[in-house]
Amino acid sequence: GQNIDQPTEMTATEGAIVQINCTYQTSGFNGLFWYQQHAGEAPTFLSYNVLDGLEEKGRFSSFLSRSKGYSYLLLKELQMKDSASYLCAALDSNYQLIWGAGTKLIIKP
Amino acid sequence: DGGITQSPKYLFRKEGQNVTLSCEQNLNHDAMYWYRQDPGQGLRLIYYSQIVNDFQKGDIAEGYSVSREKKESFPLTVTSAQKNPTAFYLCASSMAYHGGPSTDTQYFGPGTRLTVL
Repeated sequence: GQNIDQPTEMTATEGAIVQINCTYQTSGFNGLFWYQQHAGEAPTFLSYNVLDGLEEKGRFSSFLSRSKGYSYLLLKELQMKDSASYLCAALDSNYQLIWGAGTKLIIKP
Repeated sequence: DGGITQSPKYLFRKEGQNVTLSCEQNLNHDAMYWYRQDPGQGLRLIYYSQIVNDFQKGDIAEGYSVSREKKESFPLTVTSAQKNPTAFYLCASSMAYHGGPSTDTQYFGPGTRLTVL
């Protein structure tokens, strides 16, 4: 079956760096998305990777290794507003998005 | 302002009643989607539509129905046949379907929280 695994919850300190991991098993692969979702709100798009390597976008970076079925989202210079859930989703061979359950990130002062 | 709107934000329903959730987009996107989100679970696809007058079942379509009569509108009806309808419902749209990363990126509406009393 198809599966996305990511940690349920992580805690980090304001100003620090945190890495949220995601492993995927899908029927075919057409890319991996990261979304941010604040409590009670809609997910908002953060990044898309389809080639191996690191994509940097300001304080956020996303990495992909297709051979390992692995991705991570790196958040630098953490701010209190980064407290949210981070959703990993892989696009399978039918271009259906397979979603992880999300990682709740708690930022402490 | 371009975007996706969902209404209402909160909805209460008595058991045995059908209820319709609204989703409208003015992004000129061809594809639209309905998801259900439950605590501790990933988003689950209910229905999707690649183009007007066409829609496909997702992973959990039982107890739900949709229509796509206009490009900008994709309403979802939660019927009395849905056994456990209390959840957060999210509507999304993308420029196209199967078009590649820039066109397959999905953008979400603010969601409707449905509670069955």
